[in-house]
Amino acid sequence: EVQLVESGGVVVQPGGSLRLSCAASGFNFDEYTIHWLRQAPGRGLEWVSLISWDGRTTNYAGSVKGRFTVSRDNRKNSVYLQMNSLSNEDTALYYCAKNMDSRNDGDRPLDYWGQGTLVTVSS
Amino acid sequence: IVVTQSPDSLAVSLGERATINCKSSQSLLYSANNKYYLAWYQQKPGQPPKLLISWASNRESGVPDRFIGSGSGTDFTLTISSLQAEDMAVYYCQQYFSSVSTFGQGTKLEIK
Repeated sequence: EVQLVESGGVVVQPGGSLRLSCAASGFNFDEYTIHWLRQAPGRGLEWVSLISWDGRTTNYAGSVKGRFTVSRDNRKNSVYLQMNSLSNEDTALYYCAKNMDSRNDGDRPLDYWGQGTLVTVSS
Repeated sequence: IVVTQSPDSLAVSLGERATINCKSSQSLLYSANNKYYLAWYQQKPGQPPKLLISWASNRESGVPDRFIGSGSGTDFTLTISSLQAEDMAVYYCQQYFSSVSTFGQGTKLEIK
């Protein structure tokens, strides 16, 4: 069974930093691109970032570029999202999701999602 | 690429048809494989989104056949042919054509 479990969400002050983790199981992790998405309270979905299956390609939404960094450790079946210079606008439930097709760099739908981890930026 | 859904909310009677529209600011057709890079998701309260339709019209395994994706170019539609109570949710379209994916703002579907 495919599972994605996010962790690391906490309350953090504006200007602070945080690292989220996404632990995966139930599929050949090192063959799949992983995406990060977020959803502010009561709002819609926003795609945030992706890291390709081999770690060679990363992309970011304009709203986070230069502040967020995505990485992966295929030995630990995990993806990470380092978030710096956080602002109130980054408050959201953060999801990781799996790319539909293997060995593809990201232009595919997202067929499995985690339950999300909540990041609250507040003083 | 900007993706715009309409309407923002919709109330439909059980057994009736629901139609949600999605318009992109540029064509989502990749000519090399003749596929439209457009997906539809369903999100119920307290749950992550669920993929319903990929490639504009390909229904995912296990998704009831009352969910129908259609469209081409820049205009796409999700139709629920006969609304069931369990279809109450927010529906999102997503373009995955560009390296920066984008979602529509969502359409909240309610039972009339």
